[in-house]
Amino acid sequence: AQKVTQAQTEISVVEKEDVTLDCVYETRDTTYYLFWYKQPPSGELVFLIRRNSFDEQNEISGRYSWNFQKSTSSFNFTITASQVVDSAVYFCALSEISNFGNEKLTFGTGTRLTIIP
Amino acid sequence: NAGVMQNPRHLVRRRGQEARLRCSPMKGHSHVYWYRQLPEEGLKFMVYLQKENIIDESGMPKERFSAEFPKEGPSILRIQQVVRGDSAAYFCASSPPSYRVNEQYFGPGTRLTVT
Repeated sequence: AQKVTQAQTEISVVEKEDVTLDCVYETRDTTYYLFWYKQPPSGELVFLIRRNSFDEQNEISGRYSWNFQKSTSSFNFTITASQVVDSAVYFCALSEISNFGNEKLTFGTGTRLTIIP
Repeated sequence: NAGVMQNPRHLVRRRGQEARLRCSPMKGHSHVYWYRQLPEEGLKFMVYLQKENIIDESGMPKERFSAEFPKEGPSILRIQQVVRGDSAAYFCASSPPSYRVNEQYFGPGTRLTVT
């Protein structure tokens, strides 16, 4: 069975500090996708990134960067120069192929990030 | 192109009542997924439907829960005789006619409160 672990339940940092959110996953699939979503206090899910299991290149998007390491089954997310608007719950997710051939997402339990002004 | 729409956004039901949650997929999308987020937890897969067919309901509770996606109209997640433990956020996602989960688009969710 697939599993996603986000060991950090809550993190608080002062504005402008850098912060890294950890994500460790388990899967027997050789092809899979990893995702990060942001859930602000308003409650909707905001898609941040999708990464194919064959692409281990790190990715940077503005203040956001992602470090994918297959050797340690980790897909960590770093926010540099954090801002108050980054305060949210962040979910890591993993795709899996069901017995019916469809793909579905397995989510971690989330990390609540609070940026202190 | 409008995104995935869910209504109502907030729903309050007393124990024993029925809850009906609607999901209108993005235009051109024929696949719908429902996920449930219990308080302080991540989302958990419930059911995957295509038009007029339930494909994978492996995450659905065995009793009181049902889902449909008719040929016309939105997908409906129905919860009969609600209990306090059903209080959660229910998210719908849609995807186009392919099996690539990387194209799943989420709606804003319906927050169900059972009193």
